Amino acid sequence: DAGVIQSPRHEVTEMGQEVTLRCKPISGHDYLFWYRQTMMRGLELLIYFNNNVPIDDSGMPEDRFSAKMPNASFSTLKIQPSEPRDSAVYFCASSSADNYGYTFGSGTRLTVV
Amino acid sequence: SQQGEEDPQALSIQEGENATMNCSYKTSINNLQWYRQNSGRGLVHLILIRSNEREKHSGRLRVTLDTSKKSSSLLITASRAADTASYFCATAGSSARQLTFGSGTQLTVLP
Repeated sequence: DAGVIQSPRHEVTEMGQEVTLRCKPISGHDYLFWYRQTMMRGLELLIYFNNNVPIDDSGMPEDRFSAKMPNASFSTLKIQPSEPRDSAVYFCASSSADNYGYTFGSGTRLTVV
Repeated sequence: SQQGEEDPQALSIQEGENATMNCSYKTSINNLQWYRQNSGRGLVHLILIRSNEREKHSGRLRVTLDTSKKSSSLLITASRAADTASYFCATAGSSARQLTFGSGTQLTVLP
């Protein structure tokens, strides 16, 4: 298995632009998580899905952030409009129903200028 | 908000020595997990310990859990330069699925 695949690896965008981050979880994993990592705030859970259904989105900072999981093999995290304070590394992770441990992707480093 | 707090924030040891990292948390847990993160990479799951377990081993890793003190420790024996990384504890509450990560310990193993 190729693991959790995230794209792009790096994204540099101007303030006000829309940004879309993509994630392909491990096949057969029922849970998908989006985290954000910054030096100041560490790792923060933004949202997680179970069987493609959003379960808890209380970590989504504000209405500018939205996440979707249209099928079991694909999820997106969208920021519109982006702001400099959104600069961070965004991680996607997945886990299976019978294993509580997460498998993380390599992350997307987002820089908003 | 971060549930777990690791101690120390940074640790530097010589190759071959043992490394011990501690994690304290605030609320009751279903399980506690440890992850490693190499610079610029994603996190890698190392080990999980359930709330009714006190100790677990995996290769050179030993994890202990004291729920009465709300603390856990990760011991890496006979450390290697390749163990240089940040180590995070993560706690799962009643949902058992949603992990809250600590701030991490930066371990440097000198050759």
